Amino acid sequence: QKEVEQNSGPLSVPEGAIASLNCTYSDRGSQSFFWYRQYSGKSPELIMFIYSNGDKEDGRFTAQLNKASQYVSLLIRDSQPSDSATYLCAVSKGGSQGNLIFGKGTKLSVKP
Amino acid sequence: GAVVSQHPSRVICKSGTSVKIECRSLDFQATTMFWYRQFPKKSLMLMATSNEGSKATYEQGVEKDKFLINHASLTLSTLTVTSAHPEDSSFYICSARDGGRTNSPLHFGNGTRLTVT
Repeated sequence: QKEVEQNSGPLSVPEGAIASLNCTYSDRGSQSFFWYRQYSGKSPELIMFIYSNGDKEDGRFTAQLNKASQYVSLLIRDSQPSDSATYLCAVSKGGSQGNLIFGKGTKLSVKP
Repeated sequence: GAVVSQHPSRVICKSGTSVKIECRSLDFQATTMFWYRQFPKKSLMLMATSNEGSKATYEQGVEKDKFLINHASLTLSTLTVTSAHPEDSSFYICSARDGGRTNSPLHFGNGTRLTVT
């Protein structure tokens, strides 16, 4: 089993809809969870991080964590064409972001 | 906000030559920097952790003699791909964290697209 798994997509949603991106991880000792957005040919940029079970909201983004199910998700409300990118889930055992394990990413396409 | 500058952004070299990539933290001190490699449509893979003033820590399967890392100051780490071959062609990305701030996020450089012909 891969350490961090994501559906590669592409996930296509219409503009204004909610995009739901999912990620599962295999190491129960994982403590920190991150979502990055990566545009084609560019470096990742941090969208959100979450450490505790439950939901964390920041603007149009909501991260959800369920450690019992080893599952973390990212919801994007009111999706915009500019949200079209690859979203990377990353997991760390410690509080730092140093030793991150990345998933392969889910490609999101928001259609106008 | 904190910025990590990576240079060059793109390089094409001939097989057998060496290429140096620089990673600089512009407005913060980074005792630790990280080097990743990303092949097309693949995830980021951590290659090594660069520690200022000491030897880098390499991930399993990464040849330390091929990928030389030097972290001589708190704002600069370099990755040298020695005797590059076409299979080394990839997108190399560095990242750094502000060592002076608790739980500060990782900041990524813009990446270096290496093509070995």
